[in-house]
Amino acid sequence: QKEVEQNSGPLSVPEGAIASLNCTYSDRGSQSFFWYRQYSGKSPELIMSIYSNGDKEDGRFTAQLNKASQYVSLLIRDSQPSDSATYLCAVDSPGNQFYFGTGTSLTVIP
Amino acid sequence: GAVVSQHPSRVICKSGTSVKIECRSLDFQATTMFWYRQFPKQSLMLMATSNEGSKATYEQGVEKDKFLINHASLTLSTLTVTSAHPEDSSFYICSAETRDSVYGYTFGSGTRLTVV
Repeated sequence: QKEVEQNSGPLSVPEGAIASLNCTYSDRGSQSFFWYRQYSGKSPELIMSIYSNGDKEDGRFTAQLNKASQYVSLLIRDSQPSDSATYLCAVDSPGNQFYFGTGTSLTVIP
Repeated sequence: GAVVSQHPSRVICKSGTSVKIECRSLDFQATTMFWYRQFPKQSLMLMATSNEGSKATYEQGVEKDKFLINHASLTLSTLTVTSAHPEDSSFYICSAETRDSVYGYTFGSGTRLTVV
């Protein structure tokens, strides 16, 4: 079982819609969770971090964490074509090992 | 925010030569840096973890004699790809733990290595 799993997609949503990206992790002891956005040929950039159960909102982005179910999700409201990228879920395990999911490719259709 | 500067951004080298990639933390001290490799359409794969002043820890399957990592100071880590081969062509990215929970890990801009 992989440490972090994501649906690779591709996920396509029309402009203005909500994009929902999901991620599950295997280590129950994980405490820190991150969402990165990576444009083709570029380095990942941090979008959101979340540490507590529940929702965390930042502009059009909302991260949701459910430790009991071991999943973390990212919602993008009012999706824009510029949001088209690969989104990587990352989990910081207790052993200070940083695990990435394989990423979900998102395309926002104008 | 925390910034990691990575150079060069692109490099083309001949097969058999060595290439050095540098990562510097500009406004913080990075006791731990991570080196990743990413092949097209694949996720980041951790190659090694380097700690300042000690030997790097390599992931299974990564040749430590081929990928030399030096983390001699709190602001600089280098990855040297020795005797490069075309199959080493990839996107190499470093990241540093900022020890600031708000930022988590900060990435360098990446190095596109092409071995011809």
